[in-house]
Amino acid sequence: GAVVSQHPSWVICKSGTSVKIECRSLDFQATTMFWYRQFPKQSLMLMATSNEGSKATYEQGVEKDKFLINHASLTLSTLTVTSAHPEDSSFYICSAIYVRDRGFHEQYFGPGTRLTVT
Amino acid sequence: AQKVTQAQTEISVVEKEDVTLDCVYETRDTTYYLFWYKQPPSGELVFLIRRNSFDEQNEISGRYSWNFQKSTSSFNFTITASQVVDSAVYFCALSEGYNAGNNRKLIWGLGTSLAVNP
Repeated sequence: GAVVSQHPSWVICKSGTSVKIECRSLDFQATTMFWYRQFPKQSLMLMATSNEGSKATYEQGVEKDKFLINHASLTLSTLTVTSAHPEDSSFYICSAIYVRDRGFHEQYFGPGTRLTVT
Repeated sequence: AQKVTQAQTEISVVEKEDVTLDCVYETRDTTYYLFWYKQPPSGELVFLIRRNSFDEQNEISGRYSWNFQKSTSSFNFTITASQVVDSAVYFCALSEGYNAGNNRKLIWGLGTSLAVNP
């Protein structure tokens, strides 16, 4: 159990276009999901916290208008990279919080989406 | 401030050698969790272990073992008799508090790239 999927797994788009990445918790409901980006040979950088039914909380330095996050249901969060540029090319990873019995939170990661902007 | 330091950027060993990956953390919380993740070339994060701050027992799982020492704020990871399949980037991460509301941000180290050569 506790599987998180991402779609697409990889995408190539032209500069100036927008790309939407989906993150789904397949067998549990997740009120909170996180979005990370990872550049080659670097660590994960938290971009934003996505809360179901409310606005996302962005980390310092992350442009809200460029990286639109929508957490419309308890099993789906989407990240839209608007007007993508080559410097947005990266590996985007989402994670979802699964709340176990007694309220203990566990974080499960999606397999990642590799975005290449040409 | 919370911080995770993985001083070893890259390690290269020959198959069957033992290798230890270092992780040093900083936190002011008395309750926290430490994690190790493996990221193979495919990019998908593989959860290896979670350890809470109240449990200093070392853990062994097959060829993997972890040494948690609060006195030195370290949570080191040892692979015994390394194999080529162990080649990956390994991340150490820290999470503070039992439940920070619905948020469970992870503070990541920069990762150690392990190459196991035949």
